[in-house]
Amino acid sequence: QKEVEQDPGPLSVPEGAIVSLNCTYSNSAFQYFMWYRQYSRKGPELLMYTYSSGNKEDGRFTAQVDKSSKYISLFIRDSQPSDSATYLCAMSDAGNNRKLIWGLGTSLAVNP
Amino acid sequence: GAVVSQHPSRVICKSGTSVKIECRSLDFQATTMFWYRQFPKQSLMLMATSNEGSKATYEQGVEKDKFLINHASLTLSTLTVTSAHPEDSSFYICSARIWDRDYGYTFGSGTRLTVV
Repeated sequence: QKEVEQDPGPLSVPEGAIVSLNCTYSNSAFQYFMWYRQYSRKGPELLMYTYSSGNKEDGRFTAQVDKSSKYISLFIRDSQPSDSATYLCAMSDAGNNRKLIWGLGTSLAVNP
Repeated sequence: GAVVSQHPSRVICKSGTSVKIECRSLDFQATTMFWYRQFPKQSLMLMATSNEGSKATYEQGVEKDKFLINHASLTLSTLTVTSAHPEDSSFYICSARIWDRDYGYTFGSGTRLTVV
């Protein structure tokens, strides 16, 4: 079993739809949870960061962490064609090294 | 702030030659750098962690003699792919740890290596 599981998709939605992206994990030591967006042939860029459990909202993006279920989500409201990208979840424990463990990434296409 | 500049963005080389990829932290000191490779439609795979002034720590299965990492200064880390072969063709990405932020990782824009 992989430490982090993420459905690779692809996911295709019409413009304006609400998008839900998810990851599950097995390591209860994970404390830091991140969502990155990666456009084709570019490095990942940080979208959302959450420490421990709870929700966090930033504009059209909402990140949720449910540590009891070992489940994290990213919601995108009013999705735009410019949101078309691969979305990767990443997480780490609280140790000094904080090595990131990555999901496979979900490919999202928002159609105008 | 906290920008990592990675060069080159694309490189094509002949089999058997060596290629150097550079990552520079532009406005901060990067004591720790991470090097990843990413195959098409795959996630990022950590290759090695480098700390300034010390030897890199390689992940299991990564050949340290083939992927040479140098982190001689607080603003520059390099990855040299030695005696490259077509199977080394991949997308290589560096990342720097930013110690004053909990979520502190910033990524370079990546290097597309094609070995012919």
